[in-house]
Amino acid sequence: SAVISQKPSRDICQRGTSLTIQCQVDSQVTMMFWYRQQPGQSLTLIATANQGSEATYESGFVIDKFPISRPNLTFSTLTVSNMSPEDSSIYLCSVEGQGITDTQYFGPGTRLTVL
Amino acid sequence: QKEVEQNSGPLSVPEGAIASLNCTYSDRVSQSFFWYRQYSGKSPELIMSIYSNGDKEDGRFTAQLNKASQYVSLLIRDSQPSDSATYLCAAPIKAAGNKLTFGGGTRVLVKP
Repeated sequence: SAVISQKPSRDICQRGTSLTIQCQVDSQVTMMFWYRQQPGQSLTLIATANQGSEATYESGFVIDKFPISRPNLTFSTLTVSNMSPEDSSIYLCSVEGQGITDTQYFGPGTRLTVL
Repeated sequence: QKEVEQNSGPLSVPEGAIASLNCTYSDRVSQSFFWYRQYSGKSPELIMSIYSNGDKEDGRFTAQLNKASQYVSLLIRDSQPSDSATYLCAAPIKAAGNKLTFGGGTRVLVKP
């Protein structure tokens, strides 16, 4: 499976600020996914990011709050904008398995705390 | 009904015993299923996938799929304290590309 890294691994931010999370993959992948995992909860898909096109957002998530970039086949960023304490979560990127339908592999995650 | 549902647990099993985890699913998911293990503070790690009816074994793990009854199970044989984690069941949503939907997860505690 691909090796996935995320930066930062954790951060503590002030209300009203923004944080950009980076996701780097060691091989080219078509689809990358961004998830949120709130404390004690399961994973919720925020958006799907394909290179060369606009990200596709899930219900309840909007581009103004979670802008995503996908400049090439190995990199993506998720920005959490105008943060509030409710945004405190783990943010995870994932990539599809190569040659394995539907499988996804996750990066190590970014633990965000908003004060 | 959620697309994928799991009992939240905790499921407490003695060391060496079999841990049995269940996941039920709706008609809104495609019939490919994935089990992820997530240790506290870590990201999910794929441990098993199953696509066909029946059993699939990998080491101490066995995944079971029953399409008629719409459930998928994960058995952990000879449970070890290191198996203590949350186990997430996931499946692709029909007609939604590669998007996965996750169950709420079952927390497993293996007691020495």
